[in-house]
Amino acid sequence: ETGVTQTPRHLVMGMTNKKSLKCEQHLGHNAMYWYKQSAKKPLELMFVYSLEERVENNSVPSRFSPECPNSSHLFLHLHTLQPEDSALYLCASSQDRQALGWMGLFFGSGTQLSVL
Amino acid sequence: DAKTTQPNSMESNEEEPVHLPCNHSTISGTDYIHWYRQLPSQGPEYVIHGLTSNVNNRMASLAIAEDRKSSTLILHRATLRDAAVYYCILYFGNEKLTFGTGTRLTIIP
Repeated sequence: ETGVTQTPRHLVMGMTNKKSLKCEQHLGHNAMYWYKQSAKKPLELMFVYSLEERVENNSVPSRFSPECPNSSHLFLHLHTLQPEDSALYLCASSQDRQALGWMGLFFGSGTQLSVL
Repeated sequence: DAKTTQPNSMESNEEEPVHLPCNHSTISGTDYIHWYRQLPSQGPEYVIHGLTSNVNNRMASLAIAEDRKSSTLILHRATLRDAAVYYCILYFGNEKLTFGTGTRLTIIP
């Protein structure tokens, strides 16, 4: 029980599909993050939200569209993905961005995405 | 940005202590040292962090060198469930954690 729940755990989609990944945190945190983990590569930070406002977008292609309707929920909308987008997508939260250093990040279990 | 260097992999016997090293020779005085681990098919989980003094919690101990250029994560009695990739990360106030490739720890029964 990490306090951060991601659904679905696994997703297979075609390149023309539209799907969404969902993340919910039950920790009362104010900052939420999307990371991508490709096979045998380090985690890559994709997006950062603070109090529902996007504060960082690390040159992520527009086929990935994040949404943060409130401080507890984070979505990643996917459309016209490529096979190289297959990866583990991880959601994380922190008390706030400034507290990251002394309070850390809390991750969900991730969504394993396969694009065919 | 200060970088960390960790061995790619380590092995340890079950029920023995494990010492996971991390070098961070360019660390600055305000950088926190964080450790996370990632179990198979899971997201990373926080293990421990420190600034200057050694730290203990229920999961592990963190020993920080006096000059802070290296640190060691200590698992006091490894179990099979401790098999994971362990990440040593420096946090320098840029409001994000940057993960490297970590150390893959294998526990031998």
